[in-house]
Amino acid sequence: GAGVSQSPSNKVTEKGKDVELRCDPISGHTALYWYRQSLGQGLEFLIYFQGNSAPDKSGLPSDRFSAERTGGSVSTLTIQRTQQEDSAVYLCASSLAAGGSYNEQFFGPGTRLTVL
Amino acid sequence: GENVEQHPSTLSVQEGDSAVIKCTYSDSASNYFPWYKQELGKRPQLIIDIRSNVGEKKDQRIAVTLNKTAKHFSLHITETQPEDSAVYFCAASKGGSYIPTFGRGTSLIVHP
Repeated sequence: GAGVSQSPSNKVTEKGKDVELRCDPISGHTALYWYRQSLGQGLEFLIYFQGNSAPDKSGLPSDRFSAERTGGSVSTLTIQRTQQEDSAVYLCASSLAAGGSYNEQFFGPGTRLTVL
Repeated sequence: GENVEQHPSTLSVQEGDSAVIKCTYSDSASNYFPWYKQELGKRPQLIIDIRSNVGEKKDQRIAVTLNKTAKHFSLHITETQPEDSAVYFCAASKGGSYIPTFGRGTSLIVHP
């Protein structure tokens, strides 16, 4: 079946503009994660959705970042008033339901955001 | 919260040599340890994982070992090939709905 998809694959924006990044998880996966990966760096956790529970927003770097997940499927990460330091690859991942099981994360191809 | 340290940050080997990447974790409740491989410009993909009820797991040229007492786990790649060149990430999780904590990654370069 189809894997995790993200759009756009590349986004170039001007400083101060808002951007929206989209993630389509694997069908049936209730857990969805957003990560940020700066050039040559590791995976920085941003936010986590699990089913209908309140999202874990503990990784969001500032209040300019927000995310939502509609209908338990598609998720949108929004960055308001973008800054040059927001330039990075934004990765989305999904996994099967929790409940004590060990769940492989499947990553999307990422969105490369460049803020000029 | 959990803290995962990964070493080395860069590893350069000759084709055919073995490569070892080590990770330590801080939360003794962590019980699931996946390894992801990220080739240049590609997405991370799971290559092997281990759960806390075993000490070692092998899959062809790749093996992972876990020492729960010392809270460390390692990735071993034997007979390395140029296509093994990538960034490798370790992670630790309490499984279920817990968010995995990733190491900072190891850039493995295999010289032909």
